[in-house]
Amino acid sequence: GAGVSQSPRYKVAKRGQDVALRCDPISGHVSLFWYQQALGQGPEFLTYFQNEAQLDKSGLPSDRFFAERPEGSVSTLKIQRTQQEDSAVYLCASSSLGREGGTGELFFGEGSRLTVL
Amino acid sequence: AQSVTQLGSHVSVSEGALVLLRCNYSSSVPPYLFWYVQYPNQGLQLLLKYTSAATLVKGINGFEAEFKKSETSFHLTKPSAHMSDAAEYFCAVSEKGSARQLTFGSGTQLTVLP
Repeated sequence: GAGVSQSPRYKVAKRGQDVALRCDPISGHVSLFWYQQALGQGPEFLTYFQNEAQLDKSGLPSDRFFAERPEGSVSTLKIQRTQQEDSAVYLCASSSLGREGGTGELFFGEGSRLTVL
Repeated sequence: AQSVTQLGSHVSVSEGALVLLRCNYSSSVPPYLFWYVQYPNQGLQLLLKYTSAATLVKGINGFEAEFKKSETSFHLTKPSAHMSDAAEYFCAVSEKGSARQLTFGSGTQLTVLP
């Protein structure tokens, strides 16, 4: 597609429910990132993929958060047993660069806004 | 370790006035620096980036930023504000040699008054 596509745009979940957020990066982009943006804050790094390999998951806040990109294209961020503090906008970004030292631009999707009641 | 501080969570300017959004960074290695803009309910769009070439970087929509190593700053400016510039602006840093992740500041909401 022309840009990074995320779905759903809005998700309301009851505390304890599992949710899955999808990211469809720009075609051919090697790198894919997930960020969490709490209300009034800047995005915070969650995890990074290069193709299907998850190279960095140091930002995932707990073991309830899991991300995958099995075929090196579409990625899913899964949150198990959601808590109120998980309420945030989850941003996906992709880049054509797949090597160290790159300075390429990250292209962001519009985000998935999760509200946990 | 790297971090970004944006001074002023809200900035208001009159249309036609100078825009100045402040950003200071800390990084243990030479940084790459970025400014992103976010309109309501949209993703982030890159305005400009510094990658150790010219210290004065020009971006889209008439914005520019100057990298000042001695001040560890990368302030964003625009000579004349337009109503369409109203948005949230984020400064971000990544460490040279690693494009894996950006560390963002907490953002500055720019309001342009008629």
